[in-house]
Amino acid sequence: DIQMTQSPSSLSASVGDRVTITCQASEDISNYLNWYHQKPGKAPKLLIYDASNLETGVPSKFSGSGSGTHFTFTISSLQPEDIATYYCQQYDSLPFTFGGGTKVEIE
Amino acid sequence: QVQLVESGGDLVKPGGSLRLSCAASGFTFSDYYMTWIRQAPGEGLEWLSVISSSSNIIYYADSAKGRFTISRDNAKNSLYLQMNSLRAEDTAVYYCASGKDYFNYWGQGTLVTVSS
Repeated sequence: DIQMTQSPSSLSASVGDRVTITCQASEDISNYLNWYHQKPGKAPKLLIYDASNLETGVPSKFSGSGSGTHFTFTISSLQPEDIATYYCQQYDSLPFTFGGGTKVEIE
Repeated sequence: QVQLVESGGDLVKPGGSLRLSCAASGFTFSDYYMTWIRQAPGEGLEWLSVISSSSNIIYYADSAKGRFTISRDNAKNSLYLQMNSLRAEDTAVYYCASGKDYFNYWGQGTLVTVSS
């Protein structure tokens, strides 16, 4: 199975800060990488697909980049409504696997 | 609007069985692959199983293989997960989601607790 390693596992930042999360795949997954966030008590929500494509209706403050084994997800200006746990997910090969998550909090 | 509503979660004893359902509305269910994903309490997300639009392609995670069966009824706009031989480690919130490679719609989840 392809292992997805996210870092950091948690972070605390101020409102307006730029926040970056990384996701490392255990093998080359091309751009077959998606990003979700999950607010407490809610289902996950797709933000980015194919590494860098913004899902319809998702604010442009979210962005993704990368290919191969190294990927990054960025929030350009952190807002209180962005408090959530963020997950990457590969779909290069079955079983599809998720990263362990990054919990984002406000300082 | 798109809605996915899971049901069937319950408290069950180890070794028991449960059938989860997911009722879909607001999109052409029969056109889409559907997926089950679960989340143990306080843990991350685990992909479990996927079924193609016509049910001719099905895959399972190793944790589900041989014990869980995914199925769908396009006439009823419904997805199912039959879970047998349940273990304590199957305790989780189970989500249905639309899609094969990425999951743009999710249900609210249904809680399965396996405990004696």
